[in-house]
Amino acid sequence: EVQLVESGGGLVKAGGSLRLSCAASGFTFSNAWMGWVRQSPGKGLEWVGRITTTTYGGIRDYATPVKDRFTISRDDSKNTLYLQMNSLKIEDTAVYFCSTDWEEYSGRQGAYWGQGTLVTVSS
Amino acid sequence: DIQMTQSPSTLSASVGDRVTITCRASQSISSWLAWYQQKPGKAPNLLIYKASSLQSGVPSRFSGSGSGTEFTLTITSLQPDDFATYYCQHYLDSSRTFGQGTKVEIK
Repeated sequence: EVQLVESGGGLVKAGGSLRLSCAASGFTFSNAWMGWVRQSPGKGLEWVGRITTTTYGGIRDYATPVKDRFTISRDDSKNTLYLQMNSLKIEDTAVYFCSTDWEEYSGRQGAYWGQGTLVTVSS
Repeated sequence: DIQMTQSPSTLSASVGDRVTITCRASQSISSWLAWYQQKPGKAPNLLIYKASSLQSGVPSRFSGSGSGTEFTLTITSLQPDDFATYYCQHYLDSSRTFGQGTKVEIK
């Protein structure tokens, strides 16, 4: 069974930093493109960024609002995805979901998701 | 960046109704479109990928169509479990924009 479990959320002051983790199991993590999506309270889904596999160069792409502040990384030896968030702003307050991204052989996008972790940025 | 526009934002329907949600892309995305269902407090659930491929385990009353810039999600006979918010998402290039969502409410 595929499982994605996020952790690391919490309360942080504006300007601070936080690192989220996403522990993966039930599939070959090193073969999976992975991503982060967030959802502010009462709002819609917002794509944050994604990372390809090492085979595809480990390329990272980000949404404009988080570019230069957030960094996605992966540790294939630990089956874990990370989201390093720096210079946090109040508008970064959201539930952050990790998910699988594009699957080369099936063409699927977003087939598996974690339960989400809440990040609250205070003034 | 490619923009995704869904309509309507809210839809009121009854059990048994046929429901159609539209998603338009600001430029051609071929068939690189996914549809998700989300219920309050839960993660999104993939329904459709590559515009018209039904995700395993998803009921056949859900279907997707379209290519290029215009896409639709159809629920042929709305069931009580289908009252939720639906999102489209493109995955053509290095970005992955979502539509703003369509909330399907009980009429």
